[in-house]
Amino acid sequence: AQSVTQLDSQVPVFEEAPVELRCNYSSSVSVYLFWYVQYPNQGLQLLLKYLSGSTLVKGINGFEAEFNKSQTSFHLRKPSVHISDTAEYFCAVSDLGNIGFQKLVFGTGTRLLVSP
Amino acid sequence: NAGVMQNPRHLVRRRGQEARLRCSPMKGHSHVYWYRQLPEEGLKFMVYLQKENIIDESGMPKERFSAEFPKEGPSILRIQQVVRGDSAAYFCASSRQGQLQETQYFGPGTRLLVL
Repeated sequence: AQSVTQLDSQVPVFEEAPVELRCNYSSSVSVYLFWYVQYPNQGLQLLLKYLSGSTLVKGINGFEAEFNKSQTSFHLRKPSVHISDTAEYFCAVSDLGNIGFQKLVFGTGTRLLVSP
Repeated sequence: NAGVMQNPRHLVRRRGQEARLRCSPMKGHSHVYWYRQLPEEGLKFMVYLQKENIIDESGMPKERFSAEFPKEGPSILRIQQVVRGDSAAYFCASSRQGQLQETQYFGPGTRLLVL
């Protein structure tokens, strides 16, 4: 079974600074990888996903992530953050499941706190 | 252009009562997934349903929890005889065809508080 590790529970950063949110996964098979963002009291919104092809994936709101198969990582980056990026960020991997449907396995989340 | 709808958004129950959580998938979506988010934790898969069928319920507690997705109407997650440990945010997601590479679209969640 897959698992996802987000080592940083909280990442404080100043506005306009770059940020990297780390995500590592464990799996014995090929996987699909996702980053979701959750604003306070809201549902999850997809930022970006890796299915295949280029290992650098660009998403919404200026975020990007790089899939590194050898290090089993899928770190999320943004070169310059805004106050509005303050939210909880979840990395997820798709578990094939017995019949091939997308059963998402989530990490515990990283809270990004952007201050002026 | 409605997204995934969930109601109620907040639900307060006393121990021993029943909780019913509703989820209306996006238009054109016939696959529904329920996840639970306990405080300070990530989301955990509970159950996957298609219309009138439960496909995978491996994440559902064996007792007190049930889910359905009837031919007409929303998907329902039902928790009988709630206990304090059931307090959590319950999220529903939907997809069009249930394929591995599809995006799951999440609703705003129902926050259940058991007193």
